[in-house]
Amino acid sequence: EDQVTQSPEALRLQEGESSSLNCSYTVSGLRGLFWYRQDPGKGPEFLFTLYSAGEEKEKERLKATLTKKESFLHITAPKPEDSATYLCAVQAHLFSGGYNKLIFGAGTRLAVHP
Amino acid sequence: SAVISQKPSRDICQRGTSLTIQCQVDSQVTMMFWYRQQPGQSLTLIATANQGSEATYESGFVIDKFPISRPNLTFSTLTVSNMSPEDSSIYLCSVEDSAEAFFGQGTRLTVV
Repeated sequence: EDQVTQSPEALRLQEGESSSLNCSYTVSGLRGLFWYRQDPGKGPEFLFTLYSAGEEKEKERLKATLTKKESFLHITAPKPEDSATYLCAVQAHLFSGGYNKLIFGAGTRLAVHP
Repeated sequence: SAVISQKPSRDICQRGTSLTIQCQVDSQVTMMFWYRQQPGQSLTLIATANQGSEATYESGFVIDKFPISRPNLTFSTLTVSNMSPEDSSIYLCSVEDSAEAFFGQGTRLTVV
């Protein structure tokens, strides 16, 4: 069964204290792995898509990496405005139903304190 | 990137009633997706809606409880029927555009 596990469940950092969030997955043929940021009361905001092991993408203080079993979201010198829930999702190759379903992890709640 | 508008943004409803949530996209898309996010949990796919055909529901979700309409390539509705407090959740509309999935702001539903 396709599955996504994120850790830690919650993370508290001091401003400037770099860290990494983990997303472990099992999927029958990975089409893509997605990272989203979700602020309270809002829909997920797209951050990155990774397609193959070894791929890396960066955006401001965030860098996402991908291996065959997991993805990391590295946060360098975070600021309070980076506080949010970060969601990871995987998309498998087409099922018989003819569409590519996203399977989400439970998310990591990040709090960055000044 | 696609821009998605959802209405209403929030509502408080009496148990036993129904609520219809609207999702409008600023471009034509083949598939639209409806998700549920229960308090403190991640997103769960309810169904996929293609224009001109019946929606495809995920395990645990049925058409009688969550009827979906998809009258054209830019619009869809999800109805939450005969609501109970267990239906209190955030409901999200999503579309794929250039291999990226975008979400609306969500509808926060509270059933009392």
